[in-house]
Amino acid sequence: AQSVTQLDSQVPVFEEAPVELRCNYSSSVSVYLFWYVQYPNQGLQLLLKYLSGSTLVESINGFEAEFNKSQTSFHLRKPSVHISDTAEYFCAVSDEGAQKLVFGQGTRLTINP
Amino acid sequence: DAGITQSPRYKITETGRQVTLMCHQTWSHSYMFWYRQDLGHGLRLIYYSAAADITDKGEVPDGYVVSRSKTENFPLTLESATRSQTSVYFCASSDKHARYGYTFGSGTRLTVV
Repeated sequence: AQSVTQLDSQVPVFEEAPVELRCNYSSSVSVYLFWYVQYPNQGLQLLLKYLSGSTLVESINGFEAEFNKSQTSFHLRKPSVHISDTAEYFCAVSDEGAQKLVFGQGTRLTINP
Repeated sequence: DAGITQSPRYKITETGRQVTLMCHQTWSHSYMFWYRQDLGHGLRLIYYSAAADITDKGEVPDGYVVSRSKTENFPLTLESATRSQTSVYFCASSDKHARYGYTFGSGTRLTVV
C-alpha cells in the first residue's frame, strides 16, 4: 500500500529565509503527488500538484516542488518565506488511476520575524 | 455558492449522546470522504463513499456511521459519543479520479465532555 513520510513535524524559519519541507513516498510505477496547505482554523487547500510532464511544479504564491522519481521524493520549497506562510503543510500521493489519496502526517511551518 | 459546506462549525456534546455532522457539496462530485484530524496523527480516514448508497470503511471507522442517500450529502453520525472522539472533522469531495485532488470543507470542531 502507498505511504507518505513527511520527515519534519515542525520547521521554524525566519522571515525572508528559504525553506524546504520534505516528503517521501513509497515506490510505485506512476503516481500523482500533491501538496496541501492548512491555515489556522481552516480546511486544507490544494497548493500544487504533479500529474505528469515537467518535474518542477509551481504554485501562485511562490512555492515550488520537484518530483524526483529515483528518490521517490516531492519536496516543497520557497526561496523567501513570509509571515503569511505560517500554516501546516500536507503531502499526499495517489497511485495513477487510483481514487484515494494517502496523506502524510503534516509539517507545521512557523515563520519568526 | 458552489463548494463544500460543513455544519455545525463547532459542537460540544456529552458522552453517550448521538451527534450528526453534516456535509454538503455542490460540485456533483462522485466521491466523498470523512477525516478526523488529531495532533500527532495527521489526517485519518473514517469513511468514504464512491456514489449514492455506496459507502466503505476507512482507517478508523469504529463508533461512526455514515449514509449517502443523495450525491450531495454525506452525514457522519457518532452513535454514542466518547471523549476519544473529540477532534476536528473534515469532509472532502473528489471527482472519480484522484488526479484532480480533493476539495475540503472548513471542518467541524467537536468536543465530547
